[in-house]
Amino acid sequence: AQTVTQSQPEMSVQEAETVTLSCTYDTSESDYYLFWYKQPPSRQMILVIRQEAYKQQNATENRFSVNFQKAAKSFSLKISDSQLGDAAMYFCAYRSAYNFGNEKLTFGTGTRLTIIP
Amino acid sequence: NAGVMQNPRHLVRRRGQEARLRCSPVKGHSHVYWYRQLPEEGLKFMVYLQKENIIDESGMPKERFSAEFPKEGPSILRIQQVVRGDSAAYFCASSPGGLTDTQYFGPGTRLTVL
Repeated sequence: AQTVTQSQPEMSVQEAETVTLSCTYDTSESDYYLFWYKQPPSRQMILVIRQEAYKQQNATENRFSVNFQKAAKSFSLKISDSQLGDAAMYFCAYRSAYNFGNEKLTFGTGTRLTIIP
Repeated sequence: NAGVMQNPRHLVRRRGQEARLRCSPVKGHSHVYWYRQLPEEGLKFMVYLQKENIIDESGMPKERFSAEFPKEGPSILRIQQVVRGDSAAYFCASSPGGLTDTQYFGPGTRLTVL
C-alpha cells in the first residue's frame, strides 16, 4: 500500500516571501500521479498543482511550483511571493497510474500554512 | 459551470439515526469518490463508484455504511445508526473517468452526531 508523509504539521511565512512544504511518499510503483490540494478555512478542497511521475519536468502553476525527486520519492511544493490568501491546510496526495479501479487518492496528514502580514 | 455539489452542508443527527449525504458530480462526470476527514486529519478514501456500479469500496466500513450512484440522480452516502465516531466532514469528488483525470472536490458535508 502507498503512504504519503507530510512531516511539517505547521509552517509560517512572511507575506511576499517564499516557503517550501515537504512531502515524501512510499510506493513500489513506477508510474503514478502526485497532487497538492489546498484546504482554506471554508474547507473546500482546491487543486493547486499536479505532477505525472513519468515527466521529468517539474510542474508549475503561476506562483506554485514543485520539486519532484522520483528517486528520493520526494514531492515538495514551493509557494513564491506568498499572499494572505495562501493561508490554508495543504495536502499532498498520491494516485496510482495502474489498474482499473485503483484511482483513489492517498493523502498525507497536511501542513497548516500561516501567512504573516 | 457548476462544480461538485454536496448537500446538506451541515447535518446534525442523534445517535442511532440515519444520515443521508448527497453528491451531484460535475456535469458530464461519471466517476464519483467519497472521502472522510476526521477532525485534524487528512482525507481518507471510502468508496469509488461509477454509474450504477461500485468499483472500489476498500475504505468503507463493513457495517452501517453504504453508497450508491444511480443511473439518474445524485450519489448517496448512507450511514445507518450513526455513532459519535461518525462525526466528520464527508467529501465527494468527481472525474470524467480515466486514470489521468483529476478529481474535483465538493465543499463537503459536516456531520455532527450528538
